Amino acid sequence: RKEVEQDPGPFNVPEGATVAFNCTYSNSASQSFFWYRQDCRKEPKLLMSVYSSGNEDGRFTAQLNRASQYISLLIRDSKLSDSATYLCVVNENNFNKFYFGSGTKLNVKP
Amino acid sequence: DVKVTQSSRYLVKRTGEKVFLECVQDMDHENMFWYRQDPGLGLRLIYFSYDVKMKEKGDIPEGYSVSREKKERFSLILESASTNQTSMYLCASSSPGGHEQYFGPGTRLTVT
Repeated sequence: RKEVEQDPGPFNVPEGATVAFNCTYSNSASQSFFWYRQDCRKEPKLLMSVYSSGNEDGRFTAQLNRASQYISLLIRDSKLSDSATYLCVVNENNFNKFYFGSGTKLNVKP
Repeated sequence: DVKVTQSSRYLVKRTGEKVFLECVQDMDHENMFWYRQDPGLGLRLIYFSYDVKMKEKGDIPEGYSVSREKKERFSLILESASTNQTSMYLCASSSPGGHEQYFGPGTRLTVT
């Protein structure tokens, strides 16, 4: 069983659409949660951390549901530049270990 | 601007060769990591280090070793490369406490 699971997609959406991704994690003791973005043939970069109360950064909203052990990412008013793979990342009690999902691919079309 | 650099972007090696992948960070981070990324499997942790000369096995350490003689440098060694080690290798660093990881650009290794 994978530590972190994501729908690989691809999600193909038109510009301006709202799109949401979910990610589930297996260890209920997980402490920290993140969304990373990875462009084609590039390294992953932090998009946003996910806090218990939920958090928003411009068009992006991240939420955590500890009871059901999933985190979500909502992108409003999609731009062509949002096309990328979005990686869900979970950090357990040991702050030195991060678990990555295999990523959800988003294609935003004109 | 924070930076993690890796010694090569692309590398082609023959089966049985010893391979060294170097990673250097300029952020004075205690923690450094080596991952491999394969389609459909995501990033998998090979080894990590939380201090100079300290190392811990990740989820897939078989066939690999590491060296951390200086804080800024973390090396991944493939003792005898095999074709199933063909992959993208990513190095990362972070400060302690589960904070953001900064990644290098990756090394795409092909073993023939």
